[in-house]
Amino acid sequence: DIQMTQSPSSLSAFVGDRVTITCQASQDISNYLNWYQQKPGKAPKLLICDASNLETGVPSRFSGSGSGTDFTFTISSLQPEDIATYYCQHYNNFPLTFGGGTKVEIK
Amino acid sequence: QVHLQESGPGLLKPSETLSLTCTVSGYSVSSHYYWGWIRQPPGKGLEWIGTIYQSGSTYYNPSLKSRVTISVDTSKNQFSLELTSVTATDTAVYYCATPAEGVFRLGQFDYWGQGTLVTVSS
Repeated sequence: DIQMTQSPSSLSAFVGDRVTITCQASQDISNYLNWYQQKPGKAPKLLICDASNLETGVPSRFSGSGSGTDFTFTISSLQPEDIATYYCQHYNNFPLTFGGGTKVEIK
Repeated sequence: QVHLQESGPGLLKPSETLSLTCTVSGYSVSSHYYWGWIRQPPGKGLEWIGTIYQSGSTYYNPSLKSRVTISVDTSKNQFSLELTSVTATDTAVYYCATPAEGVFRLGQFDYWGQGTLVTVSS
């Protein structure tokens, strides 16, 4: 199974700050990576597929990059509505696995 | 508009079988590419349970494979999850999910149900 290691597990930042989350795969997954946002009590929402492709309707302050084993998710200017837990997920093969999540809070 | 809704018992005793149904609107379960189940223990991360393809092929998480069955009921436009011999570690919110039309990536979930909490307790 491919292990997805996400860091940090939590972070606190000011509104307007740039926020970066990393996700490392235990083996090469090319660009077969999704990023999801999950708000408390809600289902996850797909933000980015193929490591860097923003889903329709997702604000441009969200972005993703990387390939192979190392990936980055960035919020260029943190907004209050971005408070959530973010997960990476690979789809290189089965079993699909998720990172442990990064909880983003406002200072 | 695509809508998924999970349903099933919210409380089970250890050793019982968990049975959940996902009722789909907006897509046909018989023609859409694939359908999946994902779960999330309280306060923890997401775990993929399994996926069923349009062809009927199924893929399961090896950690659950011996206990899991996913099936489709085309007459009701539903798909289902069965998990046998549950224990307290199976307590979680269970989500059904599916990709958007035209998505053929192996594991992309654009649409999710609201989730249903299943608690296993004696």
